[in-house]
Amino acid sequence: DTAVSQTPKYLVTQMGNDKSIKCEQNLGHDTMYWYKQDSKKFLKIMFSYNNKELIINETVPNRFSPKSPDKAHLNLHINSLELGDSAVYFCASSRTGIPPQHFGDGTRLSIL
Amino acid sequence: DQQVKQNSPSLSVQEGRISILNCDYTNSMFDYFLWYKKYPAEGPTFLISISSIKDKNEDGRFTVFLNKSAKHLSLHIVPSQPGDSAVYFCAATEIYNQGGKLIFGQGTELSVKP
Repeated sequence: DTAVSQTPKYLVTQMGNDKSIKCEQNLGHDTMYWYKQDSKKFLKIMFSYNNKELIINETVPNRFSPKSPDKAHLNLHINSLELGDSAVYFCASSRTGIPPQHFGDGTRLSIL
Repeated sequence: DQQVKQNSPSLSVQEGRISILNCDYTNSMFDYFLWYKKYPAEGPTFLISISSIKDKNEDGRFTVFLNKSAKHLSLHIVPSQPGDSAVYFCAATEIYNQGGKLIFGQGTELSVKP
């Protein structure tokens, strides 16, 4: 009974491709997030959604588009993948934007 | 512009001793602080938090201390156990102002040796 689950866990693809990462939470939370952990291990927020509404949109290239079909799901679609997109992407959720956030196990994206 | 800093990338401690992990921040608007623990190939797991109206919060072997004037917090683990070996991240936020946005430090890798 995983609380925040992401698929796939590993994603290896070529530059220029389009890919999606899915995230689901069963905690009953109404706020979901995407974070990126780069090669220097910094965890940085990308987006957050509250009840399907975009709340936070950091300075992320518009090749990244989050989609929230309902409050239990937040997917991340990435167009025209670039080498610099290689990172670990973490999904998280919380109750009404109040910490703590609960994280999934991450999706390691590798661009060849 | 790193608002949350963990200046020690690694720390090695003997089992049974105290582990002290440190974190500094620059933004005086932060009013809530958290520590997360992360094992390889897993997501960060929430450990303990503290509000800026307190200077100490304790949960079992874990205690977080906050010094607002120094903009410094620390996590004490007593006694340290080999299972505590992991990367520890501190994070900060303005709890009602930032939509839940957490600003993370770069982590400290703790190794507890038997």
